Amino acid sequence: DAKTTQPTSMDCAEGRAANLPCNHSTISGNEYVYWYRQIHSQGPQYIIHGLKNNETNEMASLIITEDRKSSTWSLPHATLRDTAVYYCIVRVYGGATNKLIFGTGTLLAVQP
Amino acid sequence: EAQVTQNPRYLITVTGKKLTVTCSQNMNHEYMSWYRQDPGLGLRQIYYSMNVEVTDKGDVPEGYKVSRKEKRNFPLILESPSPNQTSLYFCASSFGAPSGVFYGYTFGSGTRLTVV
Repeated sequence: DAKTTQPTSMDCAEGRAANLPCNHSTISGNEYVYWYRQIHSQGPQYIIHGLKNNETNEMASLIITEDRKSSTWSLPHATLRDTAVYYCIVRVYGGATNKLIFGTGTLLAVQP
Repeated sequence: EAQVTQNPRYLITVTGKKLTVTCSQNMNHEYMSWYRQDPGLGLRQIYYSMNVEVTDKGDVPEGYKVSRKEKRNFPLILESPSPNQTSLYFCASSFGAPSGVFYGYTFGSGTRLTVV
């Protein structure tokens, strides 16, 4: 299973862009990159996913490098409510190993 | 409203007393899964189910049982709870597709279990 590496924590000023990096250097060709966030002890919330092209939704953008070994989740204007733990996950699919492997994520602290 | 519902939200129990945490989804999802979350360890998968009557172990299945008799329900059973099962538990569900594209799990609100 491909593993991901994320910084433990990041700070961001309210209203500024937050760019969260993720390294997944062992990703294989058919594995997708998923981002989730978890606010306090609530259930994780799906944000976005991508395979090899950049993706954008109403919340933010996912930028995947051409070699797919790393990605960045980019929030253009962070608010205090975006303070959360953000998980970058590579999804394994196939046979009996259909699961999401969560690491410990990045704690994004948005400062007023 | 599309959701995954877990019950109870909070539970304090004693060692050895059997308990069941229920999970129900109203989205007709095929996949369902249980995770536990512990400080410093992130979320770890306990069991998962790819469809009715199809279940399999995740990374930390010891001490847990599951069943999937109906598509919407996926209860987590602790036959003889122990203090090391004190944790925050999440149920999750998702559609699947033959091509393998996965549209993301929807998680429940969590069950905080304390075993004394």
